[in-house]
Amino acid sequence: DSGVTQTPKHLITATGQRVTLRCSPRSGDLSVYWYQQSLDQGLQFLIQYYNGEERAKGNILERFSAQQFPDLHSELNLSSLELGDSALYFCASSAGGAGANVLTFGAGSRLTVL
Amino acid sequence: AQKITQTQPGMFVQEKEAVTLDCTYDTSDPSYGLFWYKQPSSGEMIFLIYQGSYDQQNATEGRYSLNFQKARKSANLVISASQLGDSAMYFCAMREGESSARQLTFGSGTQLTVLP
Repeated sequence: DSGVTQTPKHLITATGQRVTLRCSPRSGDLSVYWYQQSLDQGLQFLIQYYNGEERAKGNILERFSAQQFPDLHSELNLSSLELGDSALYFCASSAGGAGANVLTFGAGSRLTVL
Repeated sequence: AQKITQTQPGMFVQEKEAVTLDCTYDTSDPSYGLFWYKQPSSGEMIFLIYQGSYDQQNATEGRYSLNFQKARKSANLVISASQLGDSAMYFCAMREGESSARQLTFGSGTQLTVLP
């Protein structure tokens, strides 16, 4: 157990629908990162939050949004889903600040869009 | 341009032998970090080893070592005494700079298969 909790583990939904993926970071970590892993795109960075504030944005579609709450858990909202959004979505956390900044990953949420 | 390049889509190694997984990187930032992660078939991402750009010595963690050649911009992972449980996808990743936006950029991965 990495200490990063992601729910749900698996999700099957239809095109056009909206889903929310949830992440609880490791105790003490202030930074949360979201990554998308698909066969054709590999591991793509989506967005990062640090202590409730957005810090960096990657290849995140406008249909996707995220936030980090005061208790530091984070949610990734995916709307108007398309077949191509099927992927494994990872949340990772780190302490932030100086140093190596090793990212600890959760087990992932596997999204299937039919 | 690719920031992280892993040129070996697949590798095979005999159990108990050593194997080297290649990784080259591209950055103009003098401060950066290099990471290796392992992803078994179960899907989770497991951190293996880290090398900072200013570290003088190559990083080692148990059977894992990182062959860091700064001038060549390479950060190859060496796994000694391979075990069947080492069969997995291996990703090289880089963090650039010292800012608080410290996400990792990943390579495309190398699928390692350890043969009995």
